Amino acid sequence: NAGVTQTPKFRILKIGQSMTLQCTQDMNHNYMYWYRQDPGMGLKLIYYSVGAGITDKGEVPNGYNVSRSTTEDFPLRLELAAPSQTSVYFCASGRRGIETQYFGPGTRLLVL
Amino acid sequence: GNSVTQMEGPVTLSEEAFLTINCTYTATGYPSLFWYVQYPGEGLQLLLKATKADDKGSNKGFEATYRKETTSFHLEKGSVQVSDSAVYFCALLNNQGGKLIFGQGTELSVKP
Repeated sequence: NAGVTQTPKFRILKIGQSMTLQCTQDMNHNYMYWYRQDPGMGLKLIYYSVGAGITDKGEVPNGYNVSRSTTEDFPLRLELAAPSQTSVYFCASGRRGIETQYFGPGTRLLVL
Repeated sequence: GNSVTQMEGPVTLSEEAFLTINCTYTATGYPSLFWYVQYPGEGLQLLLKATKADDKGSNKGFEATYRKETTSFHLEKGSVQVSDSAVYFCALLNNQGGKLIFGQGTELSVKP
């Protein structure tokens, strides 16, 4: 049971490039989340999903897109990378919305 | 809206010292409260939680009591170890889509 896995661990992007951050969970959780963590700050919710085919915006969705075609996968897409998107990105999952969330190890993204 | 406020860090303690990290919250209704811990280079792990007023969460020698009257959920440990060095996040979970609201985190450094 791997839990929540994220790839890549680290990436450097040039301004204007695009990329997809991958997130997979093997716990059959319905709820999945994407957060970003900026230095000295707590985590901010970007997007979340309550099940396959259903996604919704969180607190800071601008510049990102998501899809949820399967229960296991919840990729995060950056279309036109900007320096403001330099951050550490965490994916999380939970069985129900009111239960504990389990976090992946994070993806460190640097946009130059 | 919902929010979480934690005491600012970094907090530096000697081994076996007593630890308190303050956390207060603002929320409508009756949220669940959590403490997550982030060890260097890793994702967040659930440390403990409490789901209703006067509940006490505990794990690995850490404790926190859900105090509705003071809207607080302070984290305590009687005797810290070097291995407790990490960033600690207080969070609340509202009942609308399972969105976690995080405090800014408190860095703890324990010296031998």
